[in-house]
Amino acid sequence: EIVLTQSPGTLSLSPGERATLSCWASQSVSRSYLAWYQQKPGQAPRLLIYGASSRAAGIPDRFSGSGSGTDFTLTISRLEPDDFAVYYCQQYDTSPFTFGPGTRVDIE
Amino acid sequence: QVQLVESGGGVVQPGRSLRLSCAASGFPFSSHAMHWVRQAPGKGPEWVAVISYDGNTRYYADSVKGRFTISKDNSKNTVFLQMYSLRVEDTAVYYCARPPSYYDIFYPLDVWGQGTTVTVSS
Repeated sequence: EIVLTQSPGTLSLSPGERATLSCWASQSVSRSYLAWYQQKPGQAPRLLIYGASSRAAGIPDRFSGSGSGTDFTLTISRLEPDDFAVYYCQQYDTSPFTFGPGTRVDIE
Repeated sequence: QVQLVESGGGVVQPGRSLRLSCAASGFPFSSHAMHWVRQAPGKGPEWVAVISYDGNTRYYADSVKGRFTISKDNSKNTVFLQMYSLRVEDTAVYYCARPPSYYDIFYPLDVWGQGTTVTVSS
């Protein structure tokens, strides 16, 4: 099983600031089959990024993903009030298709 | 529009069974793999199971293997999760979800239902 670790656990930032979220895999995620999701309270997760760096349909370009192998990053270039949420990475390279524990982005 | 609607959740005693359903609409259901993902209170999502578009391939999380069965009825546009020998730790909101690509299991999940709550308690 590929175990995903995310850091930091919580990120406290102000609107307009840049957010950098990390996701590490316990073994290489081949084909960069790594996705990022955003989740708000009471809602299902929303796909942001797939293939490590491709934005899903309708996702603003302030969201970007990078990385390969075992190290991946989600960057939000300028935080907007709607971006304060929890972010999860998921690998879909190998079953079980594990999720990371999440990073909460809070308003400072 | 593309929609997934789960049902079948409820309160059940440990050791009992429950079957969840997810009705799909607005897309060619028979061409898509389907997943179940659960989320325990205050926790992150946990992937549970996937079934291929034709029902011939199924994968499970270790935590549910041998107790849960995923199935798919393409004539009814519905995916099921049959849960046996339920445990307290199975308490969660259960979501069905769909990858965007036709036929491929190895894809992320771009459409999710609203979830159905399963509570396992004596």
